[in-house]
Amino acid sequence: AQSVTQLGSHVSVSEGALVLLRCNYSSSVPPYLFWYVQYPNQGLQLLLKYTTGATLVKGINGFEAEFKKSETSFHLTKPSAHMSDAAEYFCAVSDIRGGGTYKYIFGTGTRLKVLA
Amino acid sequence: DTEVTQTPKHLVMGMTNKKSLKCEQHMGHRAMYWYKQKAKKPPELMFVYSYEKLSINESVPSRFSPECPNSSLLNLHLHALQPEDSALYLCASSQDSTTDTQYFGPGTRLTVL
Repeated sequence: AQSVTQLGSHVSVSEGALVLLRCNYSSSVPPYLFWYVQYPNQGLQLLLKYTTGATLVKGINGFEAEFKKSETSFHLTKPSAHMSDAAEYFCAVSDIRGGGTYKYIFGTGTRLKVLA
Repeated sequence: DTEVTQTPKHLVMGMTNKKSLKCEQHMGHRAMYWYKQKAKKPPELMFVYSYEKLSINESVPSRFSPECPNSSLLNLHLHALQPEDSALYLCASSQDSTTDTQYFGPGTRLTVL
């Protein structure tokens, strides 16, 4: 079975500093990987995804992530944090079930705090 | 347009009430999902509908009853809920159940008294 590990339930960065949120997965087959952001009392918004092709994926709001198969990682980065980036971030991997239905396996989430 | 809408935004109900949550999408997606999310936790999958048929039921108690009247609508009927059912209920959709990317609605905040 696939699994996702997000290192660090809370990350604090200063405004303008580099943001690095870590995600490692376990998968016996090439995975589909996602990062979502959730603001308080709101739904999940897709930041970016990796399916196939280029391993460096660019998403919305200046975020990007790199798929590293050798490290089974899909870390999320942003060069310069903004106050509006403060939110909960979830990494997810697609797990294909019987009958071809996809199910997401979510990490436990990382709360990003941006300090003025 | 990647919008999934959910109503109501907030719902407070007693343990003897019957209520329904609604979800709608107009992206032509044929798979729709219900998730439950407790505070500071990731979403947990409850149900998946594919082409209006229930595809996955993650052993959810029978007090939750999903319904998919057509390809654009998904309902979650609630009856005799418990206080521990209080949570954010999220709806999502994807092109079909064999497609990777899911798009989420804003959620319904449910409080059971």
